[in-house]
Amino acid sequence: DGGITQSPKYLFRKEGQNVTLSCEQNLNHDAMYWYRQDPGQGLRLIYYSQIVNDFQKGDIAEGYSVSREKKESFPLTVTSAQKNPTAFYLCASSMSRGAYQPQHFGDGTRLSIL
Amino acid sequence: ELKVEQNPLFLSMQEGKNYTIYCNYSTTSDRLYWYRQDPGKSLESLFVLLSNGAVKQEGRLMASLDTKARLSTLHITAAVHDLSATYFCAVVRLVTQGGSEKLVFGKGTKLTVNP
Repeated sequence: DGGITQSPKYLFRKEGQNVTLSCEQNLNHDAMYWYRQDPGQGLRLIYYSQIVNDFQKGDIAEGYSVSREKKESFPLTVTSAQKNPTAFYLCASSMSRGAYQPQHFGDGTRLSIL
Repeated sequence: ELKVEQNPLFLSMQEGKNYTIYCNYSTTSDRLYWYRQDPGKSLESLFVLLSNGAVKQEGRLMASLDTKARLSTLHITAAVHDLSATYFCAVVRLVTQGGSEKLVFGKGTKLTVNP
């Protein structure tokens, strides 16, 4: 079955530590996205990528970094510079170039501070 | 800056009743999505609305888009318990040259359908 796989499901970060969230898709989608969801809030865009080796900052990129070395993979690193990392992180992907298709979402990673 | 407001944010209703969730947005956009999220879960796409006057229906849910009024509605008919979830609208803020869509999400409407 095609879909988006995020891992781990739960992640704990210690003070000063960088952690990496994995996102893999087998939908052959060009575009991939990372969102952050806080309780009672909508999703906010962290980074997005339209194509391999290219990515753009979203609305809340500070304290985060990404890479896109393969079409299928778009990992997100939450760095120690992100002072309030506790949130639910969702990865999404979509076709592009006029496909008018909704973004498909993974099951999310819940990140907490130890 | 595009702002998206949903109301109500919380909705408790009885089974069998009808209700409407509203999604207002502040700047021009002609593309809007509705998603459903169950607690602790991912977002599931419900409707894609691509033009003014678009109306889509699936089961007890019907969504519409009025781009002139900058308003989308999600109408629930004869609610059942299984519809309990949080519903988000997402408005397309920008389509990049590469075709990626930058979305702005509303805060979501948490719907509880009571037996």
